Order: sequence, then structure tokens, then C-alpha cells
Amino acid sequence: SAVISQKPSRDICQRGTSLTIQCQVDSQVTMMFWYRQQPGQSLTLIATANQGSEATYESGFVIDKFPISRPNLTFSTLTVSNMSPEDSSIYLCSVEGRPSASTQYFGPGTRLTVL
Amino acid sequence: AQSVAQPEDQVNVAEGNPLTVKCTYSVSGNPYLFWYVQYPNRGLQFLLKYITGDNLVKGSYGFEAEFNKSQTSFHLKKPSALVSDSALYFCAVRPVSGGYNKLIFGAGTRLAVHP
Repeated sequence: SAVISQKPSRDICQRGTSLTIQCQVDSQVTMMFWYRQQPGQSLTLIATANQGSEATYESGFVIDKFPISRPNLTFSTLTVSNMSPEDSSIYLCSVEGRPSASTQYFGPGTRLTVL
Repeated sequence: AQSVAQPEDQVNVAEGNPLTVKCTYSVSGNPYLFWYVQYPNRGLQFLLKYITGDNLVKGSYGFEAEFNKSQTSFHLKKPSALVSDSALYFCAVRPVSGGYNKLIFGAGTRLAVHP
């Protein structure tokens, strides 16, 4: 299956700052997704990122807070802006279709703690 | 509203015994159904999926899941549990309408297999 890596794996940040999380895939994929997993909770989709178009955000998530870039078919970034302790979560990227169509495969996640 | 329910926060099983982790969903149409597993400090790993066909699907690590359309359920099963199966299990549903490939996750069920 596709090898998905995320950087950083974890970080501790001060409130009011921003963090950019990178997601790299070892093969070209059309669709990439960003999810948030708050402590002890399930995963919630933040946005869908397709190369060459604006990201599509889910209800409750806005571009100013979570800007996303998708410059090519193997890479995406998610920025968590103006962070507060409520942003402390695991952020995961996923890709669809490598190797099985209609299936999302997840990266290892970025564990973010905001003080 | 579309939703996925995992009614048990935790399932406790003795090693060697069969296990079942329950999942029901409320999504219109014929959604795709998935199970993922999350080990501590790791991302989600895909276990299996149902799209169409035989109601019993087999996946990784000896797991299988049974789709029941009338009960809108997709329970995860394994004939003989291993201690190494202890992890957090997520059921997810992908609606087939909406224009993009969103996954809706259940709250997760923690499986504890005791020696």
C-alpha cells in the first residue's frame, strides 16, 4: 500500500502560534483528506484536498483557521493557525485508492499539544 | 443526520474466545462500510470493507465482518482473539452521494483481550 508520512510526528506549541503539518505520499493520489482526532474521541473530517483546486471544508472548519495547500499529487500541508488549547489533537492525513479503490489509508498522525 | 454508532465503549474478551465489536449506521442509500484499528501512538490501519456482494467479508489479521442490510449493521468478528488484538477499533461509513468521499466514523470501541 501507499507509504504515507507526516511531519512533525508530535509538537508542543504555545497558544497564539501556528503550526504547519506536512503529509507526503510515495505515489500520486488524487484525493487527500485531513482529519482531527480530539483526545479520547473519534475522527472528524476537516477538509478534502484535491490538487489544483481549493480545499473543501466540512461544517465547523474554516480556511482561515485551517489553511490547506496541495501543490502536487504527492504532498499536502495543513496549518493550524492562532492555536488555542482546544486545538490539542491528533491530526491525520489520508489518501484514497492506494492500493484499494474506494478505501482511505491513513498516515501515522501528528500529535499536537497547545499550552 | 448521517451517523455511525458503536454502542460499546469497551469489549473485554479472554484470549482464544470469539469476539464481536458492534456497529450500526444511519446513512441513506447503500454506503460503503469500513473497519479500522488504531494501536497506541499510531495511525489508523485499514482492516476490511464492504461495498457489495457476500455479506461476510474477510480482512486482515483474521478479522471478518458481517453486513446486515435490514438491521443496518456491520459487526466486526474474529473466531479466536489474541492479546495482540487489544486496540481501538473504529467503524466508518462512506455515503455514496454528496460528491466527495467523506468517511463518517463511529466513536470507537476499545477491545481488551485478557490472557
